[in-house]
Amino acid sequence: ETGVTQTPRHLVMGMTNKKSLKCEQHLGHNAMYWYKQSAKKPLELMFVYSLEERVENNSVPSRFSPECPNSSHLFLHLHTLQPEDSALYLCASSQGSPLAGGGNEQFFGPGTRLTVL
Amino acid sequence: LAKTTQPISMDSYEGQEVNITCSHNNIATNDYITWYQQFPSQGPRFIIQGYKTKVTNEVASLFIPADRKSSTLSLPRVSLSDTAVYYCLVWGNTPLVFGKGTRLSVIA
Repeated sequence: ETGVTQTPRHLVMGMTNKKSLKCEQHLGHNAMYWYKQSAKKPLELMFVYSLEERVENNSVPSRFSPECPNSSHLFLHLHTLQPEDSALYLCASSQGSPLAGGGNEQFFGPGTRLTVL
Repeated sequence: LAKTTQPISMDSYEGQEVNITCSHNNIATNDYITWYQQFPSQGPRFIIQGYKTKVTNEVASLFIPADRKSSTLSLPRVSLSDTAVYYCLVWGNTPLVFGKGTRLSVIA
């Protein structure tokens, strides 16, 4: 247990579906992250939320939409995904912003295994 | 961002010490060196971090030479449960960037 939980753990969806991934951290951290890990590829940072400021990877398609209502919760809204979006989606949190000298020690959740048919 | 280079894979027998070396030739003055471990279908886990010389914790040791252009993660007496991917990252005031890591296989 890392103090970061993710639901659901597994998700199968069609290309026309809309779904959301949820992440919650119980560590009192103030930065949260979404990563994508495809088979045999490095982890790809998708979004960072820190003190209500969002930093994103400009290469992430608009069919992925993050939401961070407070410092403990993070969502990733999915719509009209493609089969190549099938991957393990990991949420992480850290104490301190990666943009202000913090964020080096990240605590990861167990991930959501997403399959897009 | 400083780029890191580490071996793609390593094999070791149980009980041996394993050393994984990472090169980071363009590390900046303010950068730290951080190592993570990842088991299959799980998120990475922070192992150790250092700036220079030697750092040791209950899991591993990290050796950093004076020029800081490389670092070595040392795992003492590995067991089968240490089979995982190990990532070397150089970190400054930017989000972490994970490479492909080193896949360590521990053999009985």
